[in-house]
Amino acid sequence: DQQVKQNSPSLSVQEGRISILNCDYTNSMFDYFLWYKKYPAEGPTFLISISSIKDKNEDGRFTVFLNKSAKHLSLHIVPSQPGDSAVYFCAASSNNNDMRFGAGTRLTVKP
Amino acid sequence: KAGVTQTPRYLIKTRGQQVTLSCSPISGHRSVSWYQQTPGQGLQFLFEYFSETQRNKGNFPGRFSGRQFSNSRSEMNVSTLELGDSALYLCASSSFPGQTYEQYFGPGTRLTVT
Repeated sequence: DQQVKQNSPSLSVQEGRISILNCDYTNSMFDYFLWYKKYPAEGPTFLISISSIKDKNEDGRFTVFLNKSAKHLSLHIVPSQPGDSAVYFCAASSNNNDMRFGAGTRLTVKP
Repeated sequence: KAGVTQTPRYLIKTRGQQVTLSCSPISGHRSVSWYQQTPGQGLQFLFEYFSETQRNKGNFPGRFSGRQFSNSRSEMNVSTLELGDSALYLCASSSFPGQTYEQYFGPGTRLTVT
């Protein structure tokens, strides 16, 4: 069962604009959420995370928002850069148990 | 510090065969997790090992198995391969189990089953 869903398989934005990647989850026990970024031929690399006790976490150009009532989180990248072009995976875990990943969203940032 | 290494990087097998993939974690890391990545399904958790013991297991058939050695290196084995097993298999290591935010991924092994 797909407990973590990324409904947009791809997203294309212009350089300098905002990229918004969305993620929905079904398991209310999830208490920790992460975003990973993956370039071709490389493993995913950790980008940013958020605990369920927060609704926002910011790290430079990257901000993750969590809406627990809607079971929704989003990753904002501002401003987007061509080097941000990659596949972004949303992930969630509960009580330090195994992590569940979404299917990924391929972001393309056009110069 | 060297990253997570996985061997082989690419593998082609035929249906019914079995395969063993290897993962060497970052030095000092004792926890190793395995994931299967397929288009449309994202990364799906296979299992996690810590101190040579399987700590968690995902929802995969018994054809998928793994083990961890005393030096923290891990192997996963898939027996009686099926076409649907074609995927990228990723290994991730961390200092302790459950610290999902500290996982470091290897580049993966691309398995193709024909």
